[in-house]
Amino acid sequence: EVQLVQSGGEVKKPGESLKISCKGFGYSFTSYWIAWVRQMPGKGLEWMGIIYPGDSDTRYSPSFQGQVTISADKSISTAYLQWSSLKASDTAMYYCARQIAAAGGDYFDYWGQGTLVTVSS
Amino acid sequence: QSVLTQPPSVSAAPGQKVTISCSGSSSNIGNNYVSWYQQLPGTAPKLLIYDNNKRPSGIPDRFSGSKSGTSATLGITGLQTGDEADYYCGTWDSSLSALVFGGGTKLTVL
Repeated sequence: EVQLVQSGGEVKKPGESLKISCKGFGYSFTSYWIAWVRQMPGKGLEWMGIIYPGDSDTRYSPSFQGQVTISADKSISTAYLQWSSLKASDTAMYYCARQIAAAGGDYFDYWGQGTLVTVSS
Repeated sequence: QSVLTQPPSVSAAPGQKVTISCSGSSSNIGNNYVSWYQQLPGTAPKLLIYDNNKRPSGIPDRFSGSKSGTSATLGITGLQTGDEADYYCGTWDSSLSALVFGGGTKLTVL
């Protein structure tokens, strides 16, 4: 059974750094893209970027380029999303999802349970 | 402001049918496949439809998808109270080089 299991919720102060994780089970982790999706409180879904764990090829949404870093450690089937200096506006639920990337036909077939990040002084 | 436009809310009675629209442009829906996701309260999104009209294993045929030009539609028949959720459309945008979502539609089953 395919599963994406995310790390637990975090409460941080503005300016602090953070790295959250997403571990894949039940499939070849190196053969599928992993995406990160933000959902701010009461708002919709926003695609942040993707990584291909097989070769660490990484793409970012223009809206998130330079704001976060996506990485992966294929030896432990885990993808990461990290911030060097959090802002209050980073408060949101963050989902990882397996992205099926086909020409003209990208979609997410499996999702993690979400990691709630709260940034407050 | 989302790149794809969805109605904020729709409602219908149990057993009835509802449709949810998703409007875009030639840089997204017009030249790429559309997917749809259901997000029940307090849970992660779930894939309902991919490649415009295909259902993953386990998704009942009460859910259907279609696309025409730069718009897509999700249809749900035989509405149940358990269908109350937020529904999102998504597709690749070639101009933005990003996957984009609609703003979401809240379905109420009265």
